[in-house]
Parts: sequence; C-alpha cells; structure tokens
Amino acid sequence: GPKVLQIPSHQIIDMGQMVTLNCDPVSNHLYFYWYKQILGQQMEFLVNFYNGKVMEKSKLFKDQFSVERPDGSYFTLKIQPTALEDSAVYFCASSQDRGTNERLFFGHGTKLSVL
Amino acid sequence: QQQVRQSPQSLTVWEGETAILNCSYENSAFDYFPWYQQFPGEGPALLISILSVSDKKEDGRFTIFFNKREKKLSLHIADSQPGDSATYFCAASDTNTGKLTFGDGTVLTVKP
Repeated sequence: GPKVLQIPSHQIIDMGQMVTLNCDPVSNHLYFYWYKQILGQQMEFLVNFYNGKVMEKSKLFKDQFSVERPDGSYFTLKIQPTALEDSAVYFCASSQDRGTNERLFFGHGTKLSVL
Repeated sequence: QQQVRQSPQSLTVWEGETAILNCSYENSAFDYFPWYQQFPGEGPALLISILSVSDKKEDGRFTIFFNKREKKLSLHIADSQPGDSATYFCAASDTNTGKLTFGDGTVLTVKP
C-alpha cells in the first residue's frame, strides 16, 4: 500500500544543535502532519501543513520548531536549537484530504536522541 | 485533562480468545474514531474506524462498539492470534480538523 518514508530512522545529536527530520509523503497526498511519541506511549499532535502553510499547531510545537516542504520535495521538521526534552520518536503522516473519512498514513518514525 | 483514555494499559489473552480494549473520550465534538495498531519500531497503521453516527463497525475479526451517550467505545478482537500482539491506540477527531487525539495505548499480548 501507500508508504510514507522517513529519513533518517535514528538521529543522535548534541543539545543545542540543529536537526532536520525528513519525510517523503505519499505522492498524491496534500495534508502533512508531525506527531511526537515518547517511549512508545501516547502519540501527540505537533502540527499539520497544507498548501505551504501551517494549518494548526499544538503547544508542543515550540518556537524552535519549523516545518516546510520546498517545491514538493521532503516535508521537513526542523528543530533549532534542540533541547533534551526533544528526545522522542517523531512520526510523519500524510493524507489526501483532511476529512474524517480520509485515511492517515504514518511513516516508521525517526528516533531523535538529544544528548 | 486527557481527551482520550484507554484501558487496560496492558492485556494478555490466550490464542483464540476475544480481546476487549476500551476507550473513552471527553470532547463531544469528536465524531471520528480510528483504532491504530503499532508494532515495535514501526509507525501506527489504521486497523478499523467508526463514525459517531454508527454504533457498530465490523471488519473480519475486529469489531468496534460505540456508545455515543456514554462517550465510550471498545475494540473487540475475536479469535486472537499471536500475530495480533501489538500496541493498540484509540484516536479521535472532529470534522473540522484532521488532527487526531490519541489515547495512551493498550499493549496486547496473545499467548499461544
């Protein structure tokens, strides 16, 4: 079935550095999302993105976070600077529409370890 | 206040039994409830979903029972198999947003 690819699968960086998480969404999808999961627990919504703009973001989406998808390439989540509490698995998801019947496809996640 | 709650936190059943996973929610505006299955090291995958206009949804061995008045739903996995061992997340959203609110998950173990 359709796949969302995330690169890299694991990223280790020092606190204060910048990190960019990359997502290759399903090709005909228009809505993109980032979710954060700590220790295999609750998935928490960070942000959704459509037509080059952030549509909605949660309080977890700090000022140090930014998202973009330049020219239909990767949908990226950038954290600058990183903090220890940013350590988590970040899941990218995409859907064709944002309607409730629309299936949301998730990637396998990028595990971010901030030291 | 957590918007979506799941119980139990973990559940162990024998192969062939029916596993029952519970979920409740707070926001009356929620009208779409998907269940996701997640294996270690992978992303969540949509298993089955229900809209609030229905009280039951069946797909093979998986059935959702939904009680709008009590804001509760449950996922029944009939004839459980060891391959069903995974974490199951109940989620909810409303029509106006694509944002899903997830519960904490139930870790299901099916023993052969």
